[in-house]
Amino acid sequence: NAGVTQTPKFRVLKTGQSMTLLCAQDMNHEYMYWYRQDPGMGLRLIHYSVGEGTTAKGEVPDGYNVSRLKKQNFLLGLESAAPSQTSVYFCASSSSGGLSGREQYFGPGTRLTVT
Amino acid sequence: DQQVKQNSPSLSVQEGRISILNCDYTNSMFDYFLWYKKYPAEGPTFLISISSIKDKNEDGRFTVFLNKSAKHLSLHIVPSQPGDSAVYFCAASITGNQFYFGTGTSLTVIP
Repeated sequence: NAGVTQTPKFRVLKTGQSMTLLCAQDMNHEYMYWYRQDPGMGLRLIHYSVGEGTTAKGEVPDGYNVSRLKKQNFLLGLESAAPSQTSVYFCASSSSGGLSGREQYFGPGTRLTVT
Repeated sequence: DQQVKQNSPSLSVQEGRISILNCDYTNSMFDYFLWYKKYPAEGPTFLISISSIKDKNEDGRFTVFLNKSAKHLSLHIVPSQPGDSAVYFCAASITGNQFYFGTGTSLTVIP
């Protein structure tokens, strides 16, 4: 049981390049989330999904796109990377939105630098 | 605008003493609150939670207190251990779809 895994762990991009971050979970969770963590800002929600085939915007969605084609995978795409997207990206999953099961399980993070 | 705030960026406590981490929120619609612990180069891990219908939840050395009238929650760790040294985030949610995190408090437990 690997929990939540993220690929890649590190990446350096040049401004304007594109990339996709992959998140996978093996806990059969319905809900999946993408966050970014910046110094002094805590974790901010980029996009989330409440089930296969669904996605929704979070607090800071601009410049990112997501897809949830399979229940276990949640992809985060940057179409044209900008230096402001330099951050640590965390994926998380949870079993439900009800009062029980809301605790999220996080992946180890992807450190992205855009030059 | 930050809806969940942790005003203390850092806290140092002697081993064996109590650690108290604080969190304030602005949105009265939040119905669930959580605390996470994060070690460097790792993702956050869930620690303890409380729903808005309760004012206290306890799990071993960890207790979370919720004061809805003050829009304030706190995490008590007693006794504190060196392994508790980490960054602690509080988080709040409405319906479980969106979570709002504080900026974190770095706890150092001194042996």
